[in-house]
Amino acid sequence: EVQLVESGGGLVQPGGSLRLSCVASGFTFSKFAMSWVRLAPGKGLECVSTITGGVGSTNYADSVKGRFTISRDNSKSTLYLQMNSLRAEDTAVYYCARRETGSGSYFFDYWGQGTLVTVSS
Amino acid sequence: DIQMTQSPSSLSASVGDRVTITCRASQSIFSHLNWYQQKPGKAPNLLIYAASNLQSGVPSRFSASGSGTDFTLTISSLQPEDFATYYCQQSYSTPWTFGQGTKVEIK
Repeated sequence: EVQLVESGGGLVQPGGSLRLSCVASGFTFSKFAMSWVRLAPGKGLECVSTITGGVGSTNYADSVKGRFTISRDNSKSTLYLQMNSLRAEDTAVYYCARRETGSGSYFFDYWGQGTLVTVSS
Repeated sequence: DIQMTQSPSSLSASVGDRVTITCRASQSIFSHLNWYQQKPGKAPNLLIYAASNLQSGVPSRFSASGSGTDFTLTISSLQPEDFATYYCQQSYSTPWTFGQGTKVEIK
């Protein structure tokens, strides 16, 4: 059974840092691209960052570029999101999600339960 | 970035109703369109991928169609467990973007 379990969320002051983790199980982690997707209060879903499974190519939403860093440790089946210079607008539930392919397209087929990040003084 | 616009933003419907949600992309995304369902406090759940493919385990009352810029998600007979927020998402180009969501509420 595929499982994704996030941790690391919490309350942090503006300008602070947090590192989120997502431990994967039930599949060959290194073969899949992984993403962080967030849901801010009163807003819709936003794909924050993605990292491929092979060479580990990354991309970021403009809203977090230069502040967040996605990484992975395939030996530990773990995905990370280092979040620096946090702002109030980064307050959200952060989900890790597995990217799958099918019928020539990409989609997120498995999601973690989410971890809440609150940026407030 | 490709903008995804859903309509309506919310709707009220009764059990047994046929419900249709539309999603429009700001440019052609061919068939690179996915639909998710999200319930409060839960992670999103994939319903449809590549515009019209039903994800394994998803009830057949869910269907979807479209290509290019215009897409629809249809629930043929709304069930109590279907009251949730629905999101479309394009995977044609990065950054992948979602619609703002359509909240389906009980009438």
